[in-house]
Amino acid sequence: NAGVTQTPKFQVLKTGQSMTLQCAQDMNHNSMYWYRQDPGMGLRLIYYSASEGTTDKGEVPNGYNVSRLNKREFSLRLESAAPSQTSVYFCASTDRDRTNEKLFFGSGTQLSVL
Amino acid sequence: GENVEQHPSTLSVQEGDSAVIKCTYSDSASNYFPWYKQELGKGPQLIIDIRSNVGEKKDQRIAVTLNKTAKHFSLHITETQPEDSAVYFCAAIRGGGSYIPTFGRGTSLIVHP
Repeated sequence: NAGVTQTPKFQVLKTGQSMTLQCAQDMNHNSMYWYRQDPGMGLRLIYYSASEGTTDKGEVPNGYNVSRLNKREFSLRLESAAPSQTSVYFCASTDRDRTNEKLFFGSGTQLSVL
Repeated sequence: GENVEQHPSTLSVQEGDSAVIKCTYSDSASNYFPWYKQELGKGPQLIIDIRSNVGEKKDQRIAVTLNKTAKHFSLHITETQPEDSAVYFCAAIRGGGSYIPTFGRGTSLIVHP
């Protein structure tokens, strides 16, 4: 029972490099999210996918792109990393079709951009 | 869009004391209010939630109250223990349409033995 799995757990990039953060869930959830967590700023939504085949911008989408590859997987891409993107990134999922609206989070990816 | 304010940002208590964290929200259409606990190095986990048709909900040492008129809700932890030390987030979700949780900025709770 893995839940939400994020890879990698840690990553260091140089300014201008690109990378993709991977997220997969095994709970057959429809909705998936990417948040970033910065000190004193809480969890801010980058992008979300309400269902397979759809994606929408959240509060802080600039500098990011996403792909909902299938129902299980939702990836976040940084095309040209900037120091301002140094953060902890969390993927989450939920299934609104059921009575339980609980968000399940992955364990996070700590990203440093030098 | 929704705006959630959370206070205090840091809360330090002695073991056995009570702790209260307060949140206010702006969107009167929000109808679901969960609380998440984040332990060091982990992702947040749901600990309790409340819907807008209920004024209070309790689960052992944890309770949540909601005042829909004033648009605020609170988390109450009684008989705090060192393992309650964590960051707590409140959230508000609007009913209908897209399910988009808006989180508060978090409260770091420290329980001193």
